[in-house]
Amino acid sequence: DGGITQSPKYLFRKEGQNVTLSCEQNLNHDAMYWYRQDPGQGLRLIYYSQIVNDFQKGDIAEGYSVSREKKESFPLTVTSAQKNPTAFYLCASSDGKGITLHFGNGTRLTVT
Amino acid sequence: GENVEQHPSTLSVQEGDSAVIKCTYSDSASNYFPWYKQELGKRPQLIIDIRSNVGEKKDQRIAVTLNKTAKHFSLHITETQPEDSAVYFCAAREGRRALTFGSGTRLQVQP
Repeated sequence: DGGITQSPKYLFRKEGQNVTLSCEQNLNHDAMYWYRQDPGQGLRLIYYSQIVNDFQKGDIAEGYSVSREKKESFPLTVTSAQKNPTAFYLCASSDGKGITLHFGNGTRLTVT
Repeated sequence: GENVEQHPSTLSVQEGDSAVIKCTYSDSASNYFPWYKQELGKRPQLIIDIRSNVGEKKDQRIAVTLNKTAKHFSLHITETQPEDSAVYFCAAREGRRALTFGSGTRLQVQP
């Protein structure tokens, strides 16, 4: 429900491996976002995209990469350069006015 | 960039009491201030928002106030109920930039 699908719900990886988190929306929203959620630190912005083929770094972009080849999809790659990748990752989208964020159910990534 | 600070980090109240959560922001150009509620294991959802041209907004048991001069805004929940227990996030945004969130407040309503 909600029109934003994140997969998988849980993801486990070994240290040193890149991993890609999926985010798909069928709300026809222009803008999409990736946030990282850690206990006591709220939601921190990783990357966002306001239009296809364009994206901007957020506050904690180091060690992450994104692409926006289609309006519906905004995958996030957590690279081996990310020093502390274990976290809960939330994808969101908003319409052209960017007023209300619609969140996905999140992906919990554990790297050991 | 924008910086949003939120207090308290945890708040416990008795059912029926009021709860107040406060946030401050740093960018005087910010003009949009939403509040999101995240129940345990669920996605954050917008519960109320306010724009910089308004000082107060109310929706049933929840209200938000904004003081632009002091750069702070607050969420007020009256007659709290156990289902109000959740983590609440404030946020701020300037123009079309992405939202900057506070660190969250875990509200526990004791029955």
